[in-house]
Amino acid sequence: DAKTTQPNSMESNEEEPVHLPCNHSTISGTDYIHWYRQLPSQGPEYVIHGLTSNVNNRMASLAIAEDRKSSTLILHRATLRDAAVYYCILRDVFNSGAGSYQLTFGKGTKLSVIP
Amino acid sequence: EAQVTQNPRYLITVTGKKLTVTCSQNMNHEYMSWYRQDPGLGLRQIYYSMNVEVTDKGDVPEGYKVSRKEKRNFPLILESPSPNQTSLYFCASRSGGSGANVLTFGAGSRLTVL
Repeated sequence: DAKTTQPNSMESNEEEPVHLPCNHSTISGTDYIHWYRQLPSQGPEYVIHGLTSNVNNRMASLAIAEDRKSSTLILHRATLRDAAVYYCILRDVFNSGAGSYQLTFGKGTKLSVIP
Repeated sequence: EAQVTQNPRYLITVTGKKLTVTCSQNMNHEYMSWYRQDPGLGLRQIYYSMNVEVTDKGDVPEGYKVSRKEKRNFPLILESPSPNQTSLYFCASRSGGSGANVLTFGAGSRLTVL
């Protein structure tokens, strides 16, 4: 799998937007970009995913660079409940081989939200 | 409610005493997987299963066994636990079709091996 690079930690003030960056310069044409987050003392949870176009859902927005070598997860108004570790992961969903359903988690970005 | 259920949530055991961590999902998912999480190392995959009776090694399978006799269950077996298996374990599942690859995780099982 192509690798991703994320900052170890970020801080945000409550109720302000947060932009979490992810670099993936070796991304392949069929790699989807996934974001998961892990709140303290919980299992990871799915946030959003995309391929080429920007995506929005009730939790966040995903902005994907035109060359797809980087992406940004956007939380429009950070709340204290958004304090978590955010993981950016690439997955080739068109690979039908034995490992095609794996998602490899890196160390992620620890987001702290300041009241 | 669609969920992945792990048991036990917390366990303290001693070296060499066999234990099983159960994982069950109610979403009829084909794919299931086990991860361990250690400080500074992120989530590492132990084993995964693409369907009943189909399992394969992840990145850190040493010291673990799994089985997939039924679609809903995917137990993690530690035949002879050692202190380096002290960790936080997560089970996850997803549907088998192509597309989003959205994983649903359990709440985690914290294991301490003395």
